[in-house]
Amino acid sequence: GAGVSQSPSNKVTEKGKDVELRCDPISGHTALYWYRQRLGQGLEFLIYFQGNSAPDKSGLPSDRFSAERTGESVSTLTIQRTQQEDSAVYLCASSPTSGRAGTQYFGPGTRLTVL
Amino acid sequence: AQKITQTQPGMFVQEKEAVTLDCTYDTSDQSYGLFWYKQPSSGEMIFLIYQGSYDEQNATEGRYSLNFQKARKSANLVISASQLGDSAMYFCAMREVGDMRFGAGTRLTVKP
Repeated sequence: GAGVSQSPSNKVTEKGKDVELRCDPISGHTALYWYRQRLGQGLEFLIYFQGNSAPDKSGLPSDRFSAERTGESVSTLTIQRTQQEDSAVYLCASSPTSGRAGTQYFGPGTRLTVL
Repeated sequence: AQKITQTQPGMFVQEKEAVTLDCTYDTSDQSYGLFWYKQPSSGEMIFLIYQGSYDEQNATEGRYSLNFQKARKSANLVISASQLGDSAMYFCAMREVGDMRFGAGTRLTVKP
C-alpha cells in the first residue's frame, strides 16, 4: 500500500501570494497531522485532525494559516499572504488511531520557499 | 513549556560502537507514548521505536532499544553496532492525547 503522499514536493512563491499544500494520508488512517520544520530545526506542530471531530488548531502560528480535511481523506494546508518567515518544509503525517500507541507515518514533505 | 528535551545537539560515534541519545520529557498524564524518529539528510521521517508508559519492558527493535526510566521521565535511545547509515537527525517525541510533540533533535555522526 502507498504511504503518505504530499504535493507539491517543492513550491516557490512570491511574498504576499497564497499557497495550498496537499496531503494524502494512508488509507484507513483516521488521524492526520501537519508540522512545520524550519531549516536545521525540529518539528513544530500546526494542526491535528481526528475523524469527524473538530480539529486541534492550537499550533497554527497565525490566522493566515488554515487547514481542511474531508472526512478521513485528503487534507489541504493553506497559507494566505505568505511571508518570508513561512519558508520551511511542511510535513504531513497520518496515524491509524489518535490513541497513545498510534505511530505517525510521515510524508516526504513540501519545501516552501517564499521570495 | 518545553515538554520534550534533547540536550545533545550533536553526537559522534565510531562505527560499530554503541551510542545513547538522551531524551527527557514532562507530563502529568499517567498514560502516554514515547517515540523515536530518524531523519536522514533526505528529509524523510522514519519511525524507529515506540514505548508505552505502561510497558514494563524496554522496547527493542533490531539495533535500537529504548532505555525507559519512568520515574526519571527519560526515554533514551540506544543504537548498538553503529553503521555509517545511522548518521542522521534523531527526534524524540511524546504523545499524550491527540497531538505529538517533538524534541529539538540530536544530530548523530558515525565516523568510519
